[in-house]
Amino acid sequence: EPEVTQTPSHQVTQMGQEVILRCVPISNHLYFYWYRQILGQKVEFLVSFYNNEISEKSEIFDDQFSVERPDGSNFTLKIRSTKLEDSAMYFCASTVGVRRNYGYTFGSGTRLTVV
Amino acid sequence: DAKTTQPPSMDCAEGRAANLPCNHSTISGNEYVYWYRQIHSQGPQYIIHGLKNNETNEMASLIITEDRKSSTLILPHATLRDTAVYYCIVQGGSQGNLIFGKGTKLSVKP
Repeated sequence: EPEVTQTPSHQVTQMGQEVILRCVPISNHLYFYWYRQILGQKVEFLVSFYNNEISEKSEIFDDQFSVERPDGSNFTLKIRSTKLEDSAMYFCASTVGVRRNYGYTFGSGTRLTVV
Repeated sequence: DAKTTQPPSMDCAEGRAANLPCNHSTISGNEYVYWYRQIHSQGPQYIIHGLKNNETNEMASLIITEDRKSSTLILPHATLRDTAVYYCIVQGGSQGNLIFGKGTKLSVKP
C-alpha cells in the first residue's frame, strides 16, 4: 500500500536554529498538508499546498514557517529560528483530490524537540 | 473549532463490537463525515467516510442517521490493536483541511 514518507523520524535542534522537515507524498496525490501535534494536545492544521502554492494556512503558520515542493517528489516544511514551543510531532498528509470522496494519507511523523 | 462532539473515552471487550458515536448537528449538506484513528503518537490513519448512506469497508462500518446530525463508527470485532484515539471529522475549509477534535480514546480490553 502506498505510503507518505517523512524524514527524519526525530530531530533535536537548539533554540534559534532552522530546521527542515521532509515529506515524500504518494506519487499521484495532488494536495499536500502539514499538521502538528504538541504532546498531549489535538492534531492542528498548519498549511495546505496545491499546484505549487499555499492554498490555505492556519494562524499558527506565521512568517516563521514556509513550505515548498523543490522537485516532483519532496514536500518540505521549514521552521526558521525555532522556539521551545515548536516542539511537537509534525505530520505530513496528502490526498488525490478534495472533492470530499477521498481519504487522506498521513505520514508517521517527525518528532521535533527544541532544546 | 471541531464541528463534532464525541465521548472522551470508551471501553470495549476484545472480540465484541465497538460502537463509537459522534454528533455533528451543524453539518452542511455537502460535507462528508470522516473517521480517523491515531494509535499512540503515530500519524492519523484513515478508516472510512460517508455523506449520507451507510458505508462499510474492510476496517469498519459507518452508520449515518437520516438527518445526518449524528453517526456511529462500528468496529465489528475489536482487537487489542484497535486501542487508539478515534476522530470523527466533518471536513471543513475550502481546501479540504481536516479539523481534529479531541476524539474518543477507545480501550479494548482482554
